[in-house]
Formats: sequence, C-alpha cells, structure tokens
Amino acid sequence: DVKVTQSSRYLVKRTGEKVFLECVQDMDHENMFWYRQDPGLGLRLIYFSYDVKMKEKGDIPEGYSVSREKKERFSLILESASTNQTSMYLCASSLFSPGNIQYFGAGTRLSVL
Amino acid sequence: GEDVEQSLFLSVREGDSSVINCTYTDSSSTYLYWYKQEPGAGLQLLTYIFSNMDMKQDQRLTVLLNKKDKHLSLRIADTQTGDSAIYFCAELVETGANNLFFGTGTRLTVIP
Repeated sequence: DVKVTQSSRYLVKRTGEKVFLECVQDMDHENMFWYRQDPGLGLRLIYFSYDVKMKEKGDIPEGYSVSREKKERFSLILESASTNQTSMYLCASSLFSPGNIQYFGAGTRLSVL
Repeated sequence: GEDVEQSLFLSVREGDSSVINCTYTDSSSTYLYWYKQEPGAGLQLLTYIFSNMDMKQDQRLTVLLNKKDKHLSLRIADTQTGDSAIYFCAELVETGANNLFFGTGTRLTVIP
C-alpha cells in the first residue's frame, strides 16, 4: 500500500514563527502536492512538485514556500505564520501517469495563535 | 482554478440509498474521482471514472457521468453509519500540470 506520512497531526504555533510541515511518501512517486482544507472551501492547492528541486505554484501560494531536496520528501514552509493560516494541511503524492491518482496523508491541523 | 460544485450537506437514514451530486465546468476533464474523508483523516480514493464512460459500479457504489451536462453523481446503496464522512469529487484537467480540482465536499450524515 502507498503510504504518505505527515510528521505531525496537530501543531500549535505563534504568530510570526517559522513553521515546517513535513511529508514523506514511500512509493517513488514523482508528483507531490500540498493542499489546505477549510470548511466550505474544499481543498485548495498551495504548491506542487513534479521532480526533485522542482516546484510550481498552485492556486494559493502566498505566504508559503516549499522544498523538495529528495524525491520522497516534500516540505511546506510558513516563513512567518499568521492567524489566517490556521487550517488543515494535506499532503498528497502521485505517479506521473494517466489517471494521476493522488494518495493523501492523514493531515496536519495547524493552529496559529 | 476550475469550478467544481457540490452541495455541502446530505442526511439519509441507515439502509436507504445516498446520492451525492457534483457539477464541473471543464469539458476537457479526462478522469473524475470520488474521495472519502473520515473524521480526523486524510482523503481516501473511493472510485474514479474515465470520461468516455457513463457508468461504473463497484459493490455498493455506482458512479454516473453525464458528460453533456458536466454532472457526476455517486450513489451509495444500503447506506451504513460507517459511510458518514465528507465526500469530495475531483476532476483531472490535463494541462501541463495535470492537477486535480476538488469540490467543496459533501458531508454525509447517516441517521440510525
């Protein structure tokens, strides 16, 4: 089975802190994604990566950056956390193939106080 | 991004059928998906349908696709309390990025 592991289930941070959310997948997938999930808004794509050291902006990249130094790991960085970044963050990975089925981690619920 | 719409809530009685609807806007969608999210968990793929199909059945799940109306539905037969979850539809638009566009999710509540 594909496994996508997010390092933390819950995080509480203070405004202005630098926050790292880590995601690791074990199926040699080329593509990795970061979404945030908010009630009534569904999933919105923040950033994605289709190869090591490659990154592309999604629909809502402002206030975020990402890092992909190894194929299996994709990190989401909040340079200076703000209260409007309180949300559920979901990581996903997929093969670069027809169908592009994305496999999701369990999510990290981040609260910024 | 693309516009994928779902109603936010649905309640059904245990044993009844549930029908969750979704509309999308991009006629070039190649695959359409249904994901399930249980409380406190990530998204789990339930089923998907290729755009040249109009129906797919998998045990209690039936997916119907009306490509002309850009309408996708998920029917769950004999709904159980364990089916209570949020259901997301998503479309794959094969641009250079090959990204999925998700709906808002429908929260299904099954009443015992």
